[in-house]
Amino acid sequence: KNEVEQSPQNLTAQEGEFITINCSYSVGISALHWLQQHPGGGIVSLFMLSSGKKKHGRLIATINIQEKHSSLHITASHPRDSAVYICAVLDQGAQKLVFGQGTRLTINP
Amino acid sequence: EAGVAQSPRYKIIEKRQSVAFWCNPISGHATLYWYQQILGQGPKLLIQFQNNGVVDDSQLPKDRFSAERLKGVDSTLKIQPAKLEDSAVYLCASSPLAGWGEQYFGPGTRLTVT
Repeated sequence: KNEVEQSPQNLTAQEGEFITINCSYSVGISALHWLQQHPGGGIVSLFMLSSGKKKHGRLIATINIQEKHSSLHITASHPRDSAVYICAVLDQGAQKLVFGQGTRLTINP
Repeated sequence: EAGVAQSPRYKIIEKRQSVAFWCNPISGHATLYWYQQILGQGPKLLIQFQNNGVVDDSQLPKDRFSAERLKGVDSTLKIQPAKLEDSAVYLCASSPLAGWGEQYFGPGTRLTVT
């Protein structure tokens, strides 16, 4: 079993829909990252959080440390949000960044 | 502020050949990472540098992979000889903080080994 599991693996939605991507992890962490990867490989860091909730524009990330779970929400989704979204946790013990397998999001116009 | 630069963006080689990738991190960033991302998987850390010293290279296949960060700025990652399973995107990232602060990623180098 992977230390970081994301769901769903693939998600297709219509423009305007509210999107939720989930991340569960099994190790103690110092921080959790949400990353966005567009076709071609470039990765952009969206959030780094260790508690509570953060918001940037239409993106919201939440984390529940007790339940070892984080969610990334996109409100009013747009085709330009189509990308792979990756959850990565900083393993507190190993001091390594462990990545989930990614969620491929496609927003259709 | 200029981002993390990587070159080349794409490379196709035959198995048993050698290849080198270059990374120029964001100016002033002390920490540099090399990741390997195989298609359909998340990135896997190959090596982490703090200035010009290696912090973690536990997942670097040292029989064929090598990396250096001379003068604590640019870095090169080399594969010699390449195998088919080395086909992947090689990502470089940098961070301003010692340890695991927010990371800034380069565009990656897509390697195809035939």
